[in-house]
Amino acid sequence: AQSVTQPDIHITVSEGASLELRCNYSYGATPYLFWYVQSPGQGLQLLLKYFSGDTLVQGIKGFEAEFKRSQSSFNLRKPSVHWSDAAEYFCAVGVSGGYQKVTFGIGTKLQVIP
Amino acid sequence: NAGVTQTPKFQVLKTGQSMTLQCAQDMNHNSMYWYRQDPGMGLRLIYYSASEGTTDKGEVPNGYNVSRLNKREFSLRLESAAPSQTSVYFCASTGLAGEWNEQFFGPGTRLTVL
Repeated sequence: AQSVTQPDIHITVSEGASLELRCNYSYGATPYLFWYVQSPGQGLQLLLKYFSGDTLVQGIKGFEAEFKRSQSSFNLRKPSVHWSDAAEYFCAVGVSGGYQKVTFGIGTKLQVIP
Repeated sequence: NAGVTQTPKFQVLKTGQSMTLQCAQDMNHNSMYWYRQDPGMGLRLIYYSASEGTTDKGEVPNGYNVSRLNKREFSLRLESAAPSQTSVYFCASTGLAGEWNEQFFGPGTRLTVL
């Protein structure tokens, strides 16, 4: 069965600093990979996804992620963080098998300080 | 386009009471899902409906039942609520059967069972 690990439960960065959120997955084949963001009291919104092709994926709000097969990783990056980026971020892996099964990581809560 | 809508937004129940959480999507999606979100555990799949007329258990189905009323609506029922079912419940939907795409989430229902 597939699994997702987000090793950092909580990260604090200064506004304007760069950001990298880590995500590792476990799956025998190439999975479908997602990053979602959840603002307090809200549902999840898709930031970006990787299905195939170019391993560097651009998303909304200036985020990007890079799929590294050799490291089973799909880390999320942003060059300069804004205060509005404070939220919880979820990495997810999808596999096919009768239905679109998506497994979510436990999330990384991002705090942005002035 | 409202996307995925959920009712109610908040609910407080006493142990043993029953209730139904409603979910509807207007994107003509085939598949619909119910997740629960608990601190430190990410999102866990309760039930899913791969297409109209079908439902199947997910990772944590005990204590819940579902109904796919039609293509738009997918409800989640708690027959006899327990404090362990205190959680935030999210409904999600995704597009064409057999074609991978991201899941679209509703705003969530915050349920407290006393």
